[in-house]
Amino acid sequence: GAVVSQHPSWVICKSGTSVKIECRSLDFQATTMFWYRQFPKQSLMLMATSNEGSKATYEQGVEKDKFLINHASLTLSTLTVTSAHPEDSSFYICSTVSGKETQYFGPGTRLLVL
Amino acid sequence: AQSVTQPDIHITVSEGASLELRCNYSYGATPYLFWYVQSPGQGLQLLLKYFSGDTLVQGIKGFEAEFKRSQSSFNLRKPSVHWSDAAEYFCAVHTGTASKLTFGTGTRLQVTL
Repeated sequence: GAVVSQHPSWVICKSGTSVKIECRSLDFQATTMFWYRQFPKQSLMLMATSNEGSKATYEQGVEKDKFLINHASLTLSTLTVTSAHPEDSSFYICSTVSGKETQYFGPGTRLLVL
Repeated sequence: AQSVTQPDIHITVSEGASLELRCNYSYGATPYLFWYVQSPGQGLQLLLKYFSGDTLVQGIKGFEAEFKRSQSSFNLRKPSVHWSDAAEYFCAVHTGTASKLTFGTGTRLQVTL
């Protein structure tokens, strides 16, 4: 399967600051990546679809101005949480699609906003 | 709209015992189905997938799953559970739209020694 990395693995920031999370596809070129968030003991919630060279597609209820997604290359997508607040604290996971419609996930980034 | 149901929130089994995790889906066409496993604080690892063909699929770590169209089910099984199998298990269905996945709520597996 595909290998996906995320950086950082965890981050603590102050309320009001912005945080950038990177998602890298290490062994193939990914035209599409997905961003999820996961609250404790809950399932994954799709936030947006990141498309290389074009604007991301956001799911209903996800604020595009708060969660900025950039997919500038075939191996890198970034998620920036702008003006973070404590309610943004969560586990953020990215994935890529490889082969026949199969998603491979990164290890996740835990964000804690104080 | 498609949906995935995992009826069991939490299951406890003894090491060496057999395991079956249930998954039911609602989808109009023949779905693409997946099982993922997530260890605490980690991302998701693909266990197995079903697209077509043989309805019994083999995955990694000794897991298998059987697609039953008549029951709209895709249950995950393992004949003998190991303590290292303790984790959260997610069933997912491919929606057919832009490769998106719909996930079930997950089943937390606890293994007792």
